Amino acid sequence: AQSVSQHNHHVILSEAASLELGCNYSYGGTVNLFWYVQYPGQHLQLLLKYFSGDPLVKGIKGFEAEFIKSKFSFNLRKPSVQWSDTAEYFCAVSNSGGYQKVTFGIGTKLQVIP
Amino acid sequence: KAGVTQTPRYLIKTRGQQVTLSCSPISGHRSVSWYQQTPGQGLQFLFEYFSETQRNKGNFPGRFSGRQFSNSRSEMNVSTLELGDSALYLCASSLIGGEADTQYFGPGTRLTVL
Repeated sequence: AQSVSQHNHHVILSEAASLELGCNYSYGGTVNLFWYVQYPGQHLQLLLKYFSGDPLVKGIKGFEAEFIKSKFSFNLRKPSVQWSDTAEYFCAVSNSGGYQKVTFGIGTKLQVIP
Repeated sequence: KAGVTQTPRYLIKTRGQQVTLSCSPISGHRSVSWYQQTPGQGLQFLFEYFSETQRNKGNFPGRFSGRQFSNSRSEMNVSTLELGDSALYLCASSLIGGEADTQYFGPGTRLTVL
């Protein structure tokens, strides 16, 4: 069975600091990878996704993630965070070639201090 | 387009009772997935429906069941409620549930079991 590990459960940063949230998955086959975000009081929404091709994926609001197959990792990055990035971030994985059965990580709460 | 809607938003039940939650997908979406979200476990996949058929199922006991109607609306039912069933239940819809589809999440139903 596939699983997703998010190593940091709670991150506190000052505005303009750089962000990197770790995500590792365990699955032997080909995978699709996602980052979702849940802003306070809002629905969970897709930030970015990787299916194939360029392992560096760019998403909304200046976020990007890099798929490193040898490390089974899909870390989320942003060069300079803003107070509005305060949210909970979820990494997720699904099997490639199949229908949607998405496994989520436990989530990382990011708090950005003005 | 209206987003994914879930009713009711909040529910309080007692142990042993049963509960039915409802999800209306985005118009034109035919795939509906259900997730259970708890602080300790994150989001866990329950099941996915497409064209009134359950296509994928997570590792939950048989007390958790669901169905989908011809208009793609979906319901999930939990029988013989246990304290551990207290959670936020999220519904997500996508066009056909293919791996390339983006899932759109609803606001969730907060279930409290006393």
